[in-house]
Amino acid sequence: GESVGLHLPTLSVQEGDNSIINCAYSNSASDYFIWYKQESGKGPQFIIDIRSNMDKRQGQRVTVLLNKTVKHLSLQIAATQPGDSAVYFCAEKGTSYGKLTFGQGTILTVHP
Amino acid sequence: GAGVSQSPSNKVTEKGKDVELRCDPISGHTALYWYRQRLGQGLEFLIYFQGNSAPDKSGLPSDRFSAERTGESVSTLTIQRTQQEDSAVYLCASSLEGFQPQHFGDGTRLSIL
Repeated sequence: GESVGLHLPTLSVQEGDNSIINCAYSNSASDYFIWYKQESGKGPQFIIDIRSNMDKRQGQRVTVLLNKTVKHLSLQIAATQPGDSAVYFCAEKGTSYGKLTFGQGTILTVHP
Repeated sequence: GAGVSQSPSNKVTEKGKDVELRCDPISGHTALYWYRQRLGQGLEFLIYFQGNSAPDKSGLPSDRFSAERTGESVSTLTIQRTQQEDSAVYLCASSLEGFQPQHFGDGTRLSIL
């Protein structure tokens, strides 16, 4: 079923630190995973994606790790900046073509 | 280049009224999706359009919800006889031919009084 209401997991870091945001997914048949960043009052913004035939993918300052054995996904942000403060969502695409299933989100706060 | 555009950005209406929300996808994107996001939660899939194929309506929560799409362009999501539980942000996304990633608009914030 879907997750919690207002009590999203939170992560607070200092500017310049590395951040790791974790996500557990539910469908072992999911073949595509994606991370979105959502700022207040905005729609989700694509960060990085990974297909199930990979276990790591790197972008600019971000890395996504996929562990299919334990159905775990993580987003690593290097040298976190105040502008990275937002809610981060993982999403998975299962067997239904096109449909994404979203996790509950994690609030990242970066302190200057 | 324009992104996904949604209108109105905010809508306040009385319980029992019908509302219509609009989405203009990115030009050339044949796939279009609607999601609902309640306060402090993730996104719930509502409906998916891909070209001329029959839409995937599996996420629509009740028969009060319906959506249409004109060709590969504008889509409207209609909620009839609105209820307070319909209060949420309604987000639209589009992508190339059902591939990923999906690109989102900024949503319509719907408040039912």
